Amino acid sequence: DQQVKQNSPSLSVQEGRISILNCDYTNSMFDYFLWYKKYPAEGPTFLISISSIKDKNEDGRFTVFLNKSAKHLSLHIVPSQPGDSAVYFCAASVWDSSYKLIFGSGTRLLVRP
Amino acid sequence: DADVTQTPRNRITKTGKRIMLECSQTKGHDRMYWYRQDPGLGLRLIYYSFDVKDINKGEISDGYSVSRQAQAKFSLSLESAIPNQTALYFCATSIEAGGRREQFFGPGTRLTVL
Repeated sequence: DQQVKQNSPSLSVQEGRISILNCDYTNSMFDYFLWYKKYPAEGPTFLISISSIKDKNEDGRFTVFLNKSAKHLSLHIVPSQPGDSAVYFCAASVWDSSYKLIFGSGTRLLVRP
Repeated sequence: DADVTQTPRNRITKTGKRIMLECSQTKGHDRMYWYRQDPGLGLRLIYYSFDVKDINKGEISDGYSVSRQAQAKFSLSLESAIPNQTALYFCATSIEAGGRREQFFGPGTRLTVL
Protein backbone atom coordinates (compact mmCIF):
# COMPACT_ATOMS: atom_id res chain seq x y z
CA ASP A 1 0.00 0.00 0.00
CA GLN A 2 1.64 3.20 -1.20
CA GLN A 3 1.45 5.90 1.44
CA VAL A 4 2.77 8.57 -0.94
CA LYS A 5 1.44 8.65 -4.48
CA GLN A 6 2.42 10.57 -7.55
CA ASN A 7 -0.21 9.63 -10.06
CA SER A 8 1.29 11.38 -13.07
CA PRO A 9 4.36 9.51 -14.36
CA SER A 10 5.21 12.34 -16.73
CA LEU A 11 4.49 15.98 -17.49
CA SER A 12 5.48 18.13 -20.45
CA VAL A 13 5.34 21.94 -20.38
CA GLN A 14 6.54 24.80 -22.53
CA GLU A 15 9.50 26.86 -21.36
CA GLY A 16 8.32 29.91 -19.44
CA ARG A 17 5.02 28.36 -18.40
CA ILE A 18 4.07 26.96 -15.01
CA SER A 19 4.80 23.34 -14.08
CA ILE A 20 2.55 21.80 -11.44
CA LEU A 21 3.53 18.47 -9.94
CA ASN A 22 1.11 16.74 -7.63
CA CYS A 23 1.44 14.33 -4.72
CA ASP A 24 -1.16 12.62 -2.51
CA TYR A 25 -0.61 10.85 0.79
CA THR A 26 -2.67 8.58 2.97
CA ASN A 27 -0.94 8.65 6.36
CA SER A 28 -2.30 11.44 8.54
CA MET A 29 0.76 11.11 10.81
CA PHE A 30 3.01 12.65 8.16
CA ASP A 31 4.04 16.09 9.33
CA TYR A 32 6.90 17.06 7.04
CA PHE A 33 7.04 16.91 3.27
CA LEU A 34 9.87 17.30 0.80
CA TRP A 35 10.48 17.51 -2.92
CA TYR A 36 13.59 16.11 -4.54
CA LYS A 37 14.86 16.49 -8.08
CA LYS A 38 16.82 13.77 -9.81
CA TYR A 39 18.88 13.96 -12.99
CA PRO A 40 20.05 10.79 -14.77
CA ALA A 41 23.15 9.17 -13.26
CA GLU A 42 22.93 11.39 -10.18
CA GLY A 43 21.43 11.03 -6.73
CA PRO A 44 18.28 12.90 -5.73
CA THR A 45 18.91 16.47 -4.62
CA PHE A 46 16.77 18.31 -2.11
CA LEU A 47 14.61 21.04 -3.58
CA ILE A 48 12.13 22.37 -1.05
CA SER A 49 10.23 21.24 2.03
CA ILE A 50 7.18 22.17 4.08
CA SER A 51 6.06 21.47 7.60
CA SER A 52 2.47 20.50 8.27
CA ILE A 53 1.98 23.69 10.30
CA LYS A 54 2.25 25.67 7.06
CA ASP A 55 0.26 25.60 3.86
CA LYS A 56 2.80 27.24 1.59
CA ASN A 57 6.54 27.56 1.28
CA GLU A 58 8.34 29.48 -1.42
CA ASP A 59 11.94 29.46 -2.61
CA GLY A 60 12.64 31.42 -5.76
CA ARG A 61 10.84 29.83 -8.68
CA PHE A 62 9.66 26.91 -6.54
CA THR A 63 6.58 26.91 -4.32
CA VAL A 64 5.12 23.99 -2.43
CA PHE A 65 1.48 24.02 -1.35
CA LEU A 66 0.06 21.71 1.29
CA ASN A 67 -3.64 20.92 1.69
CA LYS A 68 -3.88 18.80 4.83
CA SER A 69 -7.60 18.21 4.64
CA ALA A 70 -7.19 16.74 1.16
CA LYS A 71 -3.87 15.08 2.02
CA HIS A 72 -2.42 16.67 -1.06
CA LEU A 73 0.64 18.69 -1.88
CA SER A 74 1.86 20.26 -5.06
CA LEU A 75 5.05 21.78 -6.40
CA HIS A 76 4.79 24.81 -8.66
CA ILE A 77 7.70 25.88 -10.83
CA VAL A 78 7.35 29.32 -12.38
CA PRO A 79 8.70 30.03 -14.91
CA SER A 80 9.77 26.59 -16.07
CA GLN A 81 13.18 26.28 -17.68
CA PRO A 82 14.68 23.49 -19.80
CA GLY A 83 17.17 22.80 -16.99
CA ASP A 84 14.24 21.85 -14.78
CA SER A 85 13.72 18.72 -16.89
CA ALA A 86 14.26 15.87 -14.41
CA VAL A 87 12.39 13.36 -12.30
CA TYR A 88 10.72 14.90 -9.25
CA PHE A 89 10.05 12.85 -6.13
CA CYS A 90 7.67 13.77 -3.37
CA ALA A 91 8.60 12.44 0.09
CA ALA A 92 6.97 12.48 3.50
CA SER A 93 8.11 11.96 7.06
CA VAL A 94 6.56 11.10 10.41
CA TRP A 95 7.93 12.92 13.44
CA ASP A 96 10.17 10.34 15.06
CA SER A 97 13.90 10.07 15.66
CA SER A 98 14.59 8.09 12.52
CA TYR A 99 13.83 10.87 10.03
CA LYS A 100 12.76 8.12 7.63
CA LEU A 101 11.38 9.35 4.32
CA ILE A 102 8.62 7.67 2.35
CA PHE A 103 8.93 8.45 -1.34
CA GLY A 104 6.43 8.62 -4.15
CA SER A 105 7.16 6.96 -7.47
CA GLY A 106 8.25 10.17 -9.18
CA THR A 107 7.08 12.38 -12.05
CA ARG A 108 9.27 12.98 -15.06
CA LEU A 109 9.11 16.63 -16.09
CA LEU A 110 10.08 17.71 -19.58
CA VAL A 111 10.34 21.43 -20.25
CA ARG A 112 10.27 22.10 -23.99
CA PRO A 113 12.30 25.04 -25.33
CA ASP B 1 34.61 16.95 -3.56
CA ALA B 2 31.31 15.16 -3.11
CA ASP B 3 29.96 15.03 0.44
CA VAL B 4 28.46 11.54 0.02
CA THR B 5 30.33 9.06 -2.13
CA GLN B 6 29.42 5.56 -3.20
CA THR B 7 31.57 2.80 -4.62
CA PRO B 8 31.34 1.16 -7.02
CA ARG B 9 29.19 3.27 -9.33
CA ASN B 10 28.32 0.31 -11.50
CA ARG B 11 28.52 -3.40 -10.83
CA ILE B 12 27.48 -6.48 -12.76
CA THR B 13 27.50 -9.74 -10.87
CA LYS B 14 26.07 -13.23 -11.04
CA THR B 15 23.37 -14.92 -9.02
CA GLY B 16 24.68 -16.27 -5.73
CA LYS B 17 27.66 -13.95 -5.45
CA ARG B 18 28.31 -11.81 -2.36
CA ILE B 19 28.38 -8.11 -3.07
CA MET B 20 29.28 -5.13 -0.93
CA LEU B 21 28.33 -1.55 -1.72
CA GLU B 22 30.16 1.14 0.18
CA CYS B 23 29.18 4.62 1.26
CA SER B 24 31.33 7.34 2.79
CA GLN B 25 30.39 10.82 3.89
CA THR B 26 32.28 13.93 4.93
CA LYS B 27 29.22 15.83 6.17
CA GLY B 28 29.65 14.73 9.77
CA HIS B 29 26.07 13.48 9.92
CA ASP B 30 25.02 10.82 12.39
CA ARG B 31 22.17 9.28 10.45
CA MET B 32 22.84 7.20 7.36
CA TYR B 33 20.42 5.32 5.09
CA TRP B 34 20.37 2.83 2.24
CA TYR B 35 17.63 2.94 -0.39
CA ARG B 36 16.93 1.13 -3.60
CA GLN B 37 15.15 2.60 -6.58
CA ASP B 38 13.17 0.51 -9.02
CA PRO B 39 11.31 1.83 -12.06
CA GLY B 40 7.84 3.02 -11.10
CA LEU B 41 8.41 2.44 -7.39
CA GLY B 42 10.41 5.42 -6.22
CA LEU B 43 12.97 4.93 -3.46
CA ARG B 44 12.43 2.34 -0.75
CA LEU B 45 14.32 2.19 2.52
CA ILE B 46 16.48 -0.89 3.14
CA TYR B 47 18.34 -0.06 6.37
CA TYR B 48 19.21 2.98 8.44
CA SER B 49 21.63 3.76 11.22
CA PHE B 50 21.80 6.45 13.90
CA ASP B 51 25.39 5.66 14.86
CA VAL B 52 27.86 2.76 14.82
CA LYS B 53 25.91 0.89 17.50
CA ASP B 54 22.42 1.48 16.17
CA ILE B 55 21.22 -0.34 13.03
CA ASN B 56 17.56 -0.55 12.02
CA LYS B 57 15.66 -2.39 9.34
CA GLY B 58 13.71 -0.47 6.74
CA GLU B 59 10.73 -1.66 4.72
CA ILE B 60 12.66 -4.06 2.43
CA SER B 61 15.60 -5.44 4.44
CA ASP B 62 15.23 -9.13 3.48
CA GLY B 63 18.28 -10.34 1.56
CA TYR B 64 20.44 -7.44 2.72
CA SER B 65 22.73 -6.69 5.64
CA VAL B 66 24.62 -3.57 6.65
CA SER B 67 27.67 -2.54 8.62
CA ARG B 68 28.37 0.87 10.14
CA GLN B 69 32.15 0.79 10.44
CA ALA B 70 32.47 4.38 11.56
CA GLN B 71 30.37 7.51 11.67
CA ALA B 72 31.44 8.23 8.12
CA LYS B 73 31.05 4.75 6.60
CA PHE B 74 27.98 2.60 6.01
CA SER B 75 28.18 -0.53 3.86
CA LEU B 76 25.38 -2.57 2.31
CA SER B 77 25.90 -6.28 1.60
CA LEU B 78 24.00 -8.73 -0.52
CA GLU B 79 25.03 -12.10 0.88
CA SER B 80 23.77 -14.08 -2.10
CA ALA B 81 22.66 -11.83 -4.91
CA ILE B 82 19.53 -12.64 -6.91
CA PRO B 83 18.24 -11.07 -10.14
CA ASN B 84 15.39 -9.16 -8.48
CA GLN B 85 18.00 -7.21 -6.53
CA THR B 86 18.95 -5.52 -9.79
CA ALA B 87 18.31 -1.85 -9.03
CA LEU B 88 19.80 1.56 -8.34
CA TYR B 89 21.10 1.82 -4.79
CA PHE B 90 21.44 5.12 -2.97
CA CYS B 91 23.11 6.01 0.28
CA ALA B 92 21.93 9.09 2.16
CA THR B 93 22.75 11.04 5.32
CA SER B 94 20.85 13.41 7.55
CA ILE B 95 21.21 15.41 10.72
CA GLU B 96 18.73 16.92 13.11
CA ALA B 97 18.74 20.64 12.42
CA GLY B 98 15.98 22.85 13.72
CA GLY B 99 13.25 20.41 12.76
CA ARG B 100 14.43 20.11 9.18
CA ARG B 101 14.73 16.56 7.90
CA GLU B 102 16.42 16.72 4.53
CA GLN B 103 18.49 13.77 3.48
CA PHE B 104 21.55 14.16 1.31
CA PHE B 105 22.11 11.49 -1.29
CA GLY B 106 25.13 9.94 -2.91
CA PRO B 107 25.35 9.49 -6.69
CA GLY B 108 24.08 5.92 -6.59
CA THR B 109 25.32 2.45 -7.53
CA ARG B 110 23.75 0.66 -10.46
CA LEU B 111 23.75 -3.05 -9.65
CA THR B 112 22.88 -5.74 -12.18
CA VAL B 113 22.51 -9.34 -11.05
CA LEU B 114 22.56 -11.84 -13.92
